[in-house]
Amino acid sequence: DTEVTQTPKHLVMGMTNKKSLKCEQHMGHRAMYWYKQKAKKPPELMFVYSYEKLSINESVPSRFSPECPNSSLLNLHLHALQPEDSALYLCASSQERVAWKITDTQYFGPGTRLTVL
Amino acid sequence: DAKTTQPPSMDCAEGRAANLPCNHSTISGNEYVYWYRQIHSQGPQYIIHGLKNNETNEMASLIITEDRKSSTLILPHATLRDTAVYYCIALFNSGGSNYKLTFGKGTLLTVNP
Repeated sequence: DTEVTQTPKHLVMGMTNKKSLKCEQHMGHRAMYWYKQKAKKPPELMFVYSYEKLSINESVPSRFSPECPNSSLLNLHLHALQPEDSALYLCASSQERVAWKITDTQYFGPGTRLTVL
Repeated sequence: DAKTTQPPSMDCAEGRAANLPCNHSTISGNEYVYWYRQIHSQGPQYIIHGLKNNETNEMASLIITEDRKSSTLILPHATLRDTAVYYCIALFNSGGSNYKLTFGKGTLLTVNP
C-alpha cells in the first residue's frame, strides 16, 4: 500500500472558523510533511515531522497548527485563517533513511482544497 | 540545494518519446537529481532519481551528463495521461533524516493526440 489519504477533499471555511485537515499513511513511514500550493505555483514546504516530533517549521503563521498524534496520522489545525490562505494543502510521507540506503521518495496525498471566505 | 532551470512548457505527440531537460550547473558532488510530476489537481508523484549514472525504471529514464551540470528525463512512449508539470529537483543527501523538497516552477508537458 503506497497510499497517502487526506480528508476532506474540499473545505470551505469562514475566517472565524476552526477546522482540521487530516492525513493518514500505513506504509510505516516515520517522516510526514505538510505543503501548501497556491494556484499555478509549485508546492511549498510548511512542516516536517520525524518520529512524531516537529523537526522543521518553515516560519508558518501560528494560525496553522500541526499535530502528529501517532506515526500514521498527521493533522493540520486551522484557526482564524485569511482569504489568502486559500490553497491546496498537500500531505506527504517518506521512510527515514536507514544507514546507506537512500529512501528519500516522498509519497503525496491528493490534497485538500481549502477556500477561506 | 542547487538551483535547477527547466523550460516552462513543452509539447509532445502521443506515442513519441518526451525528453525533458533540466539544467543544474551548480550541483555539488553529493546532490541527487530527483524528478517528480504533478498531474492537474493531484499530489506530486515521484518518478525517478539519480546521482551520476543513468537510471531507468518502469516510468522513465534519467540521463545525467558526465559533468552532472544537466540531465534529461525521458518518457519513452508518452500518453495523454503523461500531461503534467514535471519538476526537476537537486537534493542534498546529508545522510540525515527528513529532507526538504524545494520545487521550482517545473515544465508543463502537454501530450497531444
